[in-house]
Amino acid sequence: GQQVMQIPQYQHVQEGEDFTTYCNSSTTLSNIQWYKQRPGGHPVFLIQLVKSGEVKKQKRLTFQFGEAKKNSSLHITATQTTDVGTYFCAGSGTTSGTYKYIFGTGTRLKVLA
Amino acid sequence: DGGITQSPKYLFRKEGQNVTLSCEQNLNHDAMYWYRQDPGQGLRLIYYSQIVNDFQKGDIAEGYSVSREKKESFPLTVTSAQKNPTAFYLCASSITRRAHGQPQHFGDGTRLSIL
Repeated sequence: GQQVMQIPQYQHVQEGEDFTTYCNSSTTLSNIQWYKQRPGGHPVFLIQLVKSGEVKKQKRLTFQFGEAKKNSSLHITATQTTDVGTYFCAGSGTTSGTYKYIFGTGTRLKVLA
Repeated sequence: DGGITQSPKYLFRKEGQNVTLSCEQNLNHDAMYWYRQDPGQGLRLIYYSQIVNDFQKGDIAEGYSVSREKKESFPLTVTSAQKNPTAFYLCASSITRRAHGQPQHFGDGTRLSIL
Protein backbone atom coordinates (compact mmCIF):
# COMPACT_ATOMS: atom_id res chain seq x y z
CA GLY A 1 0.00 0.00 0.00
CA GLN A 2 0.89 3.64 -0.21
CA GLN A 3 3.44 4.83 2.34
CA VAL A 4 4.56 8.35 3.16
CA MET A 5 7.81 8.88 5.02
CA GLN A 6 9.21 12.07 6.47
CA ILE A 7 12.73 12.98 7.47
CA PRO A 8 14.14 13.96 9.81
CA GLN A 9 12.04 12.66 12.69
CA TYR A 10 13.34 15.38 15.02
CA GLN A 11 15.17 18.66 14.46
CA HIS A 12 16.56 21.08 17.02
CA VAL A 13 17.66 24.47 15.67
CA GLN A 14 18.82 27.74 17.15
CA GLU A 15 16.40 30.58 16.68
CA GLY A 16 17.20 32.29 13.40
CA GLU A 17 18.50 29.15 11.68
CA ASP A 18 16.71 27.60 8.73
CA PHE A 19 14.79 24.31 8.85
CA THR A 20 13.72 21.83 6.18
CA THR A 21 11.59 18.68 6.35
CA TYR A 22 11.25 16.23 3.49
CA CYS A 23 8.33 14.02 2.56
CA ASN A 24 8.64 10.98 0.29
CA SER A 25 5.85 8.81 -1.07
CA SER A 26 6.13 5.26 -2.35
CA THR A 27 3.62 6.11 -5.10
CA THR A 28 2.80 9.09 -7.29
CA LEU A 29 0.55 11.56 -5.54
CA SER A 30 -2.38 13.53 -6.87
CA ASN A 31 -1.80 16.27 -4.32
CA ILE A 32 -0.09 16.83 -1.02
CA GLN A 33 -1.09 18.79 2.05
CA TRP A 34 0.98 20.12 4.93
CA TYR A 35 -0.19 20.46 8.53
CA LYS A 36 1.32 21.86 11.73
CA GLN A 37 0.52 20.44 15.15
CA ARG A 38 1.56 22.45 18.20
CA PRO A 39 2.44 20.47 21.37
CA GLY A 40 -0.81 19.28 22.96
CA GLY A 41 -2.86 20.57 20.04
CA HIS A 42 -4.46 19.30 16.88
CA PRO A 43 -3.16 19.48 13.28
CA VAL A 44 -3.85 22.72 11.48
CA PHE A 45 -3.88 22.91 7.69
CA LEU A 46 -1.09 24.99 6.16
CA ILE A 47 -1.21 24.48 2.40
CA GLN A 48 -2.03 22.13 -0.47
CA LEU A 49 0.15 21.51 -3.55
CA VAL A 50 -1.31 20.03 -6.70
CA LYS A 51 0.94 20.66 -9.70
CA SER A 52 4.21 18.98 -10.57
CA GLY A 53 7.13 21.21 -9.56
CA GLU A 54 4.83 23.63 -7.75
CA VAL A 55 6.37 26.07 -5.26
CA LYS A 56 4.28 28.09 -2.82
CA LYS A 57 5.33 30.57 -0.17
CA GLN A 58 3.70 31.72 3.04
CA LYS A 59 5.87 34.41 4.64
CA ARG A 60 8.92 32.48 5.91
CA LEU A 61 7.58 29.09 4.80
CA THR A 62 8.33 27.66 1.34
CA PHE A 63 6.58 24.51 0.11
CA GLN A 64 7.69 22.50 -2.89
CA PHE A 65 6.14 19.58 -4.79
CA GLY A 66 8.55 17.40 -6.75
CA GLU A 67 8.51 17.08 -10.52
CA ALA A 68 7.56 13.40 -10.26
CA LYS A 69 4.90 14.20 -7.64
CA LYS A 70 6.41 11.67 -5.24
CA ASN A 71 8.14 14.04 -2.86
CA SER A 72 7.67 17.38 -1.20
CA SER A 73 9.51 19.69 1.15
CA LEU A 74 8.79 22.43 3.65
CA HIS A 75 11.50 25.01 4.32
CA ILE A 76 11.33 27.59 7.09
CA THR A 77 13.67 30.56 6.86
CA ALA A 78 14.99 32.15 10.05
CA THR A 79 13.02 30.05 12.52
CA GLN A 80 11.23 31.63 15.45
CA THR A 81 10.07 30.09 18.73
CA THR A 82 6.50 30.22 17.39
CA ASP A 83 7.52 27.65 14.74
CA VAL A 84 7.80 24.93 17.40
CA GLY A 85 5.61 21.91 16.68
CA THR A 86 5.33 18.83 14.50
CA TYR A 87 4.97 19.25 10.77
CA PHE A 88 3.09 16.57 8.82
CA CYS A 89 2.66 16.01 5.14
CA ALA A 90 -0.41 14.14 3.91
CA GLY A 91 -0.65 12.70 0.43
CA SER A 92 -3.48 11.41 -1.69
CA GLY A 93 -2.94 9.03 -4.57
CA THR A 94 -6.08 9.60 -6.60
CA THR A 95 -7.74 12.54 -8.29
CA SER A 96 -11.51 12.58 -8.33
CA GLY A 97 -13.21 11.51 -5.15
CA THR A 98 -9.99 12.13 -3.29
CA TYR A 99 -11.05 11.95 0.30
CA LYS A 100 -8.46 9.62 1.79
CA TYR A 101 -5.05 10.91 2.82
CA ILE A 102 -1.99 9.08 4.12
CA PHE A 103 -0.13 11.11 6.72
CA GLY A 104 3.62 11.13 6.99
CA THR A 105 5.38 10.26 10.21
CA GLY A 106 5.98 13.94 11.00
CA THR A 107 9.01 16.06 11.85
CA ARG A 108 9.14 17.50 15.35
CA LEU A 109 10.82 20.91 15.40
CA LYS A 110 12.30 22.48 18.51
CA VAL A 111 13.61 26.03 18.35
CA LEU A 112 16.14 27.07 20.97
CA ALA A 113 16.05 30.75 21.91
CA ASP B 1 -18.44 29.86 15.34
CA GLY B 2 -18.25 26.86 13.02
CA GLY B 3 -16.05 23.99 14.04
CA ILE B 4 -15.62 20.42 15.16
CA THR B 5 -16.39 19.37 18.70
CA GLN B 6 -14.98 16.20 20.18
CA SER B 7 -16.03 14.85 23.56
CA PRO B 8 -14.97 13.89 26.06
CA LYS B 9 -11.49 15.36 26.18
CA TYR B 10 -10.24 12.50 28.38
CA LEU B 11 -11.72 9.00 28.59
CA PHE B 12 -10.81 5.94 30.58
CA ARG B 13 -11.75 2.44 29.55
CA LYS B 14 -11.96 -0.68 31.68
CA GLU B 15 -11.02 -4.09 30.34
CA GLY B 16 -13.77 -5.61 28.22
CA GLN B 17 -15.65 -2.33 27.91
CA ASN B 18 -16.81 -0.57 24.77
CA VAL B 19 -16.53 3.21 24.75
CA THR B 20 -17.87 5.77 22.28
CA LEU B 21 -16.11 8.97 21.27
CA SER B 22 -18.29 11.80 20.03
CA CYS B 23 -17.57 14.02 17.02
CA GLU B 24 -19.92 16.78 15.90
CA GLN B 25 -19.36 19.39 13.19
CA ASN B 26 -21.39 22.43 12.16
CA LEU B 27 -19.31 23.25 9.09
CA ASN B 28 -21.76 21.54 6.74
CA HIS B 29 -18.96 19.26 5.56
CA ASP B 30 -19.83 16.03 3.79
CA ALA B 31 -16.65 14.08 4.61
CA MET B 32 -15.61 13.07 8.12
CA TYR B 33 -12.61 11.12 9.38
CA TRP B 34 -11.27 9.38 12.47
CA TYR B 35 -7.52 9.17 13.08
CA ARG B 36 -5.46 7.58 15.81
CA GLN B 37 -2.22 9.21 16.96
CA ASP B 38 0.26 7.40 19.18
CA PRO B 39 2.97 9.33 21.08
CA GLY B 40 5.58 10.74 18.74
CA GLN B 41 3.88 9.26 15.71
CA GLY B 42 1.86 10.34 12.74
CA LEU B 43 -1.86 10.02 12.17
CA ARG B 44 -3.33 6.70 11.09
CA LEU B 45 -6.74 6.56 9.46
CA ILE B 46 -9.34 4.41 11.23
CA TYR B 47 -12.54 5.13 9.29
CA TYR B 48 -13.83 7.80 6.96
CA SER B 49 -17.20 8.76 5.58
CA GLN B 50 -17.91 10.73 2.43
CA ILE B 51 -21.67 10.94 2.83
CA VAL B 52 -24.44 10.15 5.29
CA ASN B 53 -25.13 6.42 5.78
CA ASP B 54 -21.87 5.44 4.13
CA PHE B 55 -18.38 4.89 5.55
CA GLN B 56 -15.16 3.14 4.59
CA LYS B 57 -12.47 1.35 6.56
CA GLY B 58 -9.13 3.03 6.86
CA ASP B 59 -5.79 1.39 7.53
CA ILE B 60 -6.43 0.32 11.15
CA ALA B 61 -10.19 -0.33 11.41
CA GLU B 62 -9.98 -3.57 13.40
CA GLY B 63 -11.50 -3.18 16.87
CA TYR B 64 -13.36 0.02 15.95
CA SER B 65 -16.83 0.78 14.61
CA VAL B 66 -18.55 3.95 13.37
CA SER B 67 -21.93 5.19 12.22
CA ARG B 68 -22.98 8.15 10.09
CA GLU B 69 -26.70 8.62 10.59
CA LYS B 70 -26.51 12.42 10.43
CA LYS B 71 -24.32 14.71 8.36
CA GLU B 72 -23.00 16.52 11.41
CA SER B 73 -22.19 13.48 13.56
CA PHE B 74 -19.63 10.67 13.21
CA PRO B 75 -19.22 8.77 16.51
CA LEU B 76 -16.43 6.22 16.96
CA THR B 77 -16.82 3.17 19.19
CA VAL B 78 -13.68 1.55 20.53
CA THR B 79 -14.67 -2.04 21.18
CA SER B 80 -13.20 -4.55 23.60
CA ALA B 81 -11.62 -6.22 20.55
CA GLN B 82 -9.17 -3.32 20.32
CA LYS B 83 -6.41 -4.62 22.59
CA ASN B 84 -4.25 -1.51 22.61
CA PRO B 85 -6.66 1.43 22.61
CA THR B 86 -4.53 3.94 24.53
CA ALA B 87 -3.98 6.80 22.10
CA PHE B 88 -5.01 10.29 21.07
CA TYR B 89 -8.07 10.16 18.78
CA LEU B 90 -8.67 12.94 16.28
CA CYS B 91 -11.81 13.61 14.28
CA ALA B 92 -11.68 15.71 11.13
CA SER B 93 -14.01 16.91 8.40
CA SER B 94 -13.71 18.41 4.94
CA ILE B 95 -15.88 19.56 2.08
CA THR B 96 -16.00 17.26 -0.92
CA ARG B 97 -15.36 18.24 -4.49
CA ARG B 98 -14.51 16.14 -7.51
CA ALA B 99 -11.27 17.93 -8.29
CA HIS B 100 -8.43 17.25 -5.88
CA GLY B 101 -8.59 17.24 -2.15
CA GLN B 102 -9.75 19.70 0.40
CA PRO B 103 -8.23 20.77 3.71
CA GLN B 104 -9.20 18.75 6.74
CA HIS B 105 -10.41 20.60 9.83
CA PHE B 106 -9.61 18.82 13.08
CA GLY B 107 -11.26 18.71 16.47
CA ASP B 108 -9.29 19.06 19.72
CA GLY B 109 -9.09 15.30 20.18
CA THR B 110 -9.93 12.72 22.84
CA ARG B 111 -7.23 11.04 24.94
CA LEU B 112 -8.23 7.46 25.73
CA SER B 113 -6.48 5.46 28.43
CA ILE B 114 -6.90 2.00 29.91
CA LEU B 115 -7.71 1.63 33.60
